[in-house]
Amino acid sequence: DGGITQSPKYLFRKEGQNVTLSCEQNLNHDAMYWYRQDPGQGLRLIYYSQIVNDFQKGDIAEGYSVSREKKESFPLTVTSAQKNPTAFYLCASSRAPGQGVNEQYFGPGTRLTVT
Amino acid sequence: AQSVTQPDIHITVSEGASLELRCNYSYGATPYLFWYVQSPGQGLQLLLKYFSGDTLVQGIKGFEAEFKRSQSSFNLRKPSVHWSDAAEYFCAVGDLYNQGGKLIFGQGTELSVKP
Repeated sequence: DGGITQSPKYLFRKEGQNVTLSCEQNLNHDAMYWYRQDPGQGLRLIYYSQIVNDFQKGDIAEGYSVSREKKESFPLTVTSAQKNPTAFYLCASSRAPGQGVNEQYFGPGTRLTVT
Repeated sequence: AQSVTQPDIHITVSEGASLELRCNYSYGATPYLFWYVQSPGQGLQLLLKYFSGDTLVQGIKGFEAEFKRSQSSFNLRKPSVHWSDAAEYFCAVGDLYNQGGKLIFGQGTELSVKP
């Protein structure tokens, strides 16, 4: 079955440590996205990538970094510079703009807790 | 700037009753509109989408939505709610040509279903 996987489902880290969240898709989608979800705030876009080796900042990129070395993979690193990293992180993918409908397909999410 | 407003943070309906979740958008061009549903601790699932054509669109799980350009609305409806519909619902608007395929999400409406 095609889909998006995120691992791990739950992640715990100490303050001051960097942590990398995994996102893999086998939908052959060109575009991938990272969102942060906090209670009552909907989804906020962190980074997105429309093609391999290219990515753009979203609305809340400070304290985060990404890479896109392979089409299937778009890992997100939460750095120690992120002031409030505890949240639910969602990865999504879609066909790239210009190829038609761009609904996004979401992974199951990773809940990160930093203490 | 584009925006999406879901006026109702939380709605409670009785099982078997009808449901309407409101969504208003602000967008300068023809919008691409989506409704997603999220169960607790899970990713988002696409319910339906509107790009053009018939303004009444059918989705999965018995949901439908109507696009009303004059009211800048895209309300989600279901004639008879089931207990399993309890979840959070997100409306989103996307720009296929100018925003790199990004989606802008509303704050979400949490639906509770009374037995």
